[in-house]
Amino acid sequence: QSALTQPASVSGSPGQSITISCTGTSSDVGSYNLVSWYQQDPGKAPKLIIYEGSKRPSGVSNRFSASKSGNTASLTISGLQAEDEADYYCCSYADSSTFVFGGGTKLTVL
Amino acid sequence: EVQLVESGGGLVQPGGSLRLSCAASGFTLSSYWMSWVRQAPGKGLEWVANIRQDGSEKYYVDSVKGRFTISRDNAKNSLYLQMNSLRAEDTAVYYCARDLPYYDILTGYGRGYGAFDIWGHGTMVTVSS
Repeated sequence: QSALTQPASVSGSPGQSITISCTGTSSDVGSYNLVSWYQQDPGKAPKLIIYEGSKRPSGVSNRFSASKSGNTASLTISGLQAEDEADYYCCSYADSSTFVFGGGTKLTVL
Repeated sequence: EVQLVESGGGLVQPGGSLRLSCAASGFTLSSYWMSWVRQAPGKGLEWVANIRQDGSEKYYVDSVKGRFTISRDNAKNSLYLQMNSLRAEDTAVYYCARDLPYYDILTGYGRGYGAFDIWGHGTMVTVSS
């Protein structure tokens, strides 16, 4: 049950695209297409932005997309906007019916 | 309005106990797997435990096994987390979260696989002497 590995921080200018990686193991990300992604503003509860690998909940912008290759999942935000500045977390279903989160990535919009 | 509201947090001494509650409204609690997720001050999210719709299955992160117990009362639209033998490292904001069902096409059963679509505002638990 080790945390998934995410970069501590990423940055980009408005209009650009950024990608946040989320690396796990064959016991979690690699074995299940059940990665979810969350956006968290300071002092607020997390918000689901991607689930089941690449699905977007109703109301989430199509600027958010996700994919997976092997043990690594990735979140891409295109057309970066100032409002996207937040912390982002990945989460994967894992063996033994548990879940594991990533350490979180702070996105700065320059 | 679909909503989760946690309560029961506070300051407790190491070795002490607390019971967190999560009141659900605006949806049928009995249709969903539910989880507790915590976040230590300035740190990332950590999944703590989850429970099946009827309470027959429960799973925990290793660090709380044997100390924490998740339960639910669907008739009262409530989820609980009993926390015993608390340690300083349990200090965190505790969130309850609803897990979107992933439906099995053969059985029609909806199991939660980590799509936490509704979160409460959280309740702070501080373990300190």
